[in-house]
Amino acid sequence: SQQGEEDPQALSIQEGENATMNCSYKTSINNLQWYRQNSGRGLVHLILIRSNEREKHSGRLRVTLDTSKKSSSLLITASRAADTASYFCAMTGGGSNYKLTFGKGTLLTVNP
Amino acid sequence: DTEVTQTPKHLVMGMTNKKSLKCEQHMGHRAMYWYKQKAKKPPELMFVYSYEKLSINESVPSRFSPECPNSSLLNLHLHALQPEDSALYLCASRPPGQGSREQFFGPGTRLTVL
Repeated sequence: SQQGEEDPQALSIQEGENATMNCSYKTSINNLQWYRQNSGRGLVHLILIRSNEREKHSGRLRVTLDTSKKSSSLLITASRAADTASYFCAMTGGGSNYKLTFGKGTLLTVNP
Repeated sequence: DTEVTQTPKHLVMGMTNKKSLKCEQHMGHRAMYWYKQKAKKPPELMFVYSYEKLSINESVPSRFSPECPNSSLLNLHLHALQPEDSALYLCASRPPGQGSREQFFGPGTRLTVL
């Protein structure tokens, strides 16, 4: 199974601190994406990194990808209470960019 | 219009009922998806439609019946569901093209089966 493992499962920090979430996967990928989900709502796409890329930035987000270790990390800098949500990595692979398989997710709580 | 809409937001049904979930997008996306998500779990793929044809069925029980009447609309027909089918049902769409693309998700339908 391609399902990703995310670590930690839950993370609680203070506003202004940085949050780092990690994702590991098992087989080769085409791309890896990160999504955010506020409680009981739909998912919002944050960032996509292709298998031939090593790092991408978007605002306060920084994503890295290490295909040799089959792992990715999402860094949120200067966190805010509004960043409180579940964060999922998701990947495509096996020659298809249509099927996304999600990791188990990290629940981030940012305390004001 | 850059969003995926889903109706209804909430649905309560008995095990003998027949109901339908509806998903709509007007972004010109030609791939549409149904996911099921249980509490504190990641979304699980159910079905993928590509150019209005069913391309992936993840061994979903036949009590769930998808339909894609046109490129903007996706339905999920429900019949004889079980209480364990209670979950958040998410619809998503994806821009056309073979390359890497993000998926756009709707807000979901919260389904409760009594």
